[in-house]
Amino acid sequence: QQQVKQSPQSLIVQKGGISIINCAYENTAFDYFPWYQQFPGKGPALLIAIRPDVSEKKEGRFTISFNKSAKQFSLHIMDSQPGDSATYFCAASIPGSNYKLTFGKGTLLTVNP
Amino acid sequence: DAGITQSPRHKVTETGTPVTLRCHQTENHRYMYWYRQDPGHGLRLIHYSYGVKDTDKGEVSDGYSVSRSKTEDFLLTLESATSSQTSVYFCAISSVGAIDQPQHFGDGTRLSIL
Repeated sequence: QQQVKQSPQSLIVQKGGISIINCAYENTAFDYFPWYQQFPGKGPALLIAIRPDVSEKKEGRFTISFNKSAKQFSLHIMDSQPGDSATYFCAASIPGSNYKLTFGKGTLLTVNP
Repeated sequence: DAGITQSPRHKVTETGTPVTLRCHQTENHRYMYWYRQDPGHGLRLIHYSYGVKDTDKGEVSDGYSVSRSKTEDFLLTLESATSSQTSVYFCAISSVGAIDQPQHFGDGTRLSIL
């Protein structure tokens, strides 16, 4: 049973455009929602994270939007650049679970020049 | 980058052989995790450790065992490798009390079982 559903599987965006990746969850016990970025041959790296007490968090060109009632959260990449081409994973964790993360299946983002 | 080293980085072996992957950290973090990454499945937790000699199963633990005899090393063992265990394996670490509880990942071990 997949607890975090991520969409789309792949996404192609033109340089300068906005990339949007969505995730949905069922377990209301989740209280921490990070996004990871992974380049080929490398491990995932934390990009940005949010907790349910805020609806939006912005770091540079990256924004997380969080909708607690809908149990959804999304990553927005503004002014997308070819260097943003990577696989993105959303994840979620439950307090008191030894910081275990449940990951979505990933989105392969390609930004065309 | 967080001080995480995975070894070997690549390995090819045959079905039925034992395989041990090593994760070494220099951060003195309490928590360590082993994941496997497969196309269409994302990252799935195999086992994790919350201290020396303290380990527990993740969602895909069958066929795998782990050991942690000291803080810096977390070993993943495939007792008798099968082709279904061909995958990329990632180790991650996390610190108690770390703001927003981030996990930091190593660069992975690509394991092929023929």
